[in-house]
Amino acid sequence: DGGITQSPKYLFRKEGQNVTLSCEQNLNHDAMYWYRQDPGQGLRLIYYSQIVNDFQKGDIAEGYSVSREKKESFPLTVTSAQKNPTAFYLCASFEGGYYGYTFGSGTRLTVV
Amino acid sequence: AQKITQTQPGMFVQEKEAVTLDCTYDTSDPSYGLFWYKQPSSGEMIFLIYQGSYDQQNATEGRYSLNFQKARKSANLVISASQLGDSAMYFCAMRETLYNFNKFYFGSGTKLNVKP
Repeated sequence: DGGITQSPKYLFRKEGQNVTLSCEQNLNHDAMYWYRQDPGQGLRLIYYSQIVNDFQKGDIAEGYSVSREKKESFPLTVTSAQKNPTAFYLCASFEGGYYGYTFGSGTRLTVV
Repeated sequence: AQKITQTQPGMFVQEKEAVTLDCTYDTSDPSYGLFWYKQPSSGEMIFLIYQGSYDQQNATEGRYSLNFQKARKSANLVISASQLGDSAMYFCAMRETLYNFNKFYFGSGTKLNVKP
């Protein structure tokens, strides 16, 4: 079955460490996205990529970095510069046309 | 300005009754799409229903219908015959087609609780 796989499901990070969240899709979608969700809140766009080797900052890109070396993969690195990284992170892809996103199941990141 | 506004942080509904979740949007793009997603406590985002800006009829998907009032820029979700499994967060979203291509905007969500 086609879909988006996010790993790990739960991630614990010590302060000052960088961590990378994985997002892989086998849907052949060009566009991929990373969102952050805080408890009881909506989704805020971190980064998005329309095509391989290209990506754009979203609304809250500070303290995050991404790469898009392959169509299938769009990893997100949460750097030590992100002061409050504890949140739920959702990856999504989009095939174009009049369709919505396909979402992954999310990664819950906690700083300890 | 907010692109998507959901003014109901939380709502209660009795099982088997209908409920309306409000959503208003703001865009100058003549071509756009409106979406509703359900997010249970597990965190996954489940697509419910889609309405295109040029669609003449309101979208329906099973127990879900979208009350689309273009002049008022509202896209309310109606859930008929509520079930206990409908308890979740609900997000309204919009995609602009000409401007900000392929970028989706989400509202802050409405937490729906269905009471037995």
